[in-house]
Amino acid sequence: KAGVTQTPRYLIKTRGQQVTLSCSPISGHRSVSWYQQTPGQGLQFLFEYFSETQRNKGNFPGRFSGRQFSNSRSEMNVSTLELGDSALYLCASSWAGTGAGEQYFGPGTRLTVT
Amino acid sequence: GIQVEQSPPDLILQEGANSTLRCNFSDSVNNLQWFHQNPWGQLINLFYIPSGTKQNGRLSATTVATERYSLLYISSSQTTDSGVYFCAVERGGQGNLIFGKGTKLSVKP
Repeated sequence: KAGVTQTPRYLIKTRGQQVTLSCSPISGHRSVSWYQQTPGQGLQFLFEYFSETQRNKGNFPGRFSGRQFSNSRSEMNVSTLELGDSALYLCASSWAGTGAGEQYFGPGTRLTVT
Repeated sequence: GIQVEQSPPDLILQEGANSTLRCNFSDSVNNLQWFHQNPWGQLINLFYIPSGTKQNGRLSATTVATERYSLLYISSSQTTDSGVYFCAVERGGQGNLIFGKGTKLSVKP
């Protein structure tokens, strides 16, 4: 069974631009979560989607948004990029109908904002 | 919110040595996972272990939920074990994992 895939793997953007990252979960998994990893803050939860509905949201500004499609693929968008948004963005999927369940992570998208 | 503390923060071993990594958490949890982050950044699942003991080859893990800690044992370490090991917990089915700061392991040949 194929693992979680994320595209693109690397991205360089300029301050003020917006960016969209994509995540395809493991087949059959309906929950998709997004995390941000930075050297200073570590791994932090952004949001979680299940059956196209956002079930849970972390403590990030409204510039960070996401959505999930009927095939469980998910996208996250960051608008008006700031230098501090430079990070590794990780997507995880699970089969769990409730709670986080056993989460499987993709390879991540490394975003650099200049 | 729940606090997750991992120790030690850094660990340097000679190849072939054994090690124990610890994860303490401040409240009851219903989900605990151990991950290994490889040099390219991907988090690799090691164990899903909200309680009890599991073994997978040279690695094993024990979670004592009543005492709010988990241990990851690595035996006969290899250079490929190098990387950062994360413990992550979920409280009360909230739907997200809360990560510790990790243990950075370096295995020297």
